[in-house]
Amino acid sequence: QKEVEQDPGPLSVPEGAIVSLNCTYSNSAFQYFMWYRQYSRKGPELLMYTYSSGNKEDGRFTAQVDKSSKYISLFIRDSQPSDSATYLCAMKDSSASKIIFGSGTRLSIRP
Amino acid sequence: NAGVTQTPKFQVLKTGQSMTLQCAQDMNHEYMSWYRQDPGMGLRLIHYSVGAGITDQGEVPNGYNVSRSTTEDFPLRLLSAAPSQTSVYFCASSEGRPGNEKLFFGSGTQLSVL
Repeated sequence: QKEVEQDPGPLSVPEGAIVSLNCTYSNSAFQYFMWYRQYSRKGPELLMYTYSSGNKEDGRFTAQVDKSSKYISLFIRDSQPSDSATYLCAMKDSSASKIIFGSGTRLSIRP
Repeated sequence: NAGVTQTPKFQVLKTGQSMTLQCAQDMNHEYMSWYRQDPGMGLRLIHYSVGAGITDQGEVPNGYNVSRSTTEDFPLRLLSAAPSQTSVYFCASSEGRPGNEKLFFGSGTQLSVL
């Protein structure tokens, strides 16, 4: 079983829709949770970072962490065609140095 | 401000050949890592380093070697290339301090092994 599971998609939604992207994990030691966005033929870029349960908001993006369920989500409001990309969740525990990624969800926003 | 620089961008190898993928960062980051990205598999950690002279294995280290003689450079060596190593390789660095794990990625190296 992989430590981090993520539905690969692809996910296609109309412009303006609310998008929900999710990851589950099995390692209860994970303390830091991140979402990266990757455009085609580019390296990933950090989008959201959180280290506690609950919600963190940044503009149209909200990251949600539920440690009791080992479940994290990224919500995108008022989605735009420029949000079309692959979204990768990533996690790290406080004692280890390595960051583990999910498989990524490919998202397409239709104009 | 160059950030993380990877060379080459593209490479074609024959089975059994060796090569080194170069990675350099100019942000004085202690932590550096190599990932490979395959369709449907996301980013898988190959090797990482928490500082000069210190390296450790990630999820998929077999067939790859690394060394970290300076803070800036973290080369990845393929000893005897195999078709299963066809992938896109990303180097990434971060400050590595708790609460400051933001990874900065290079633009990637697309490797094909025939």
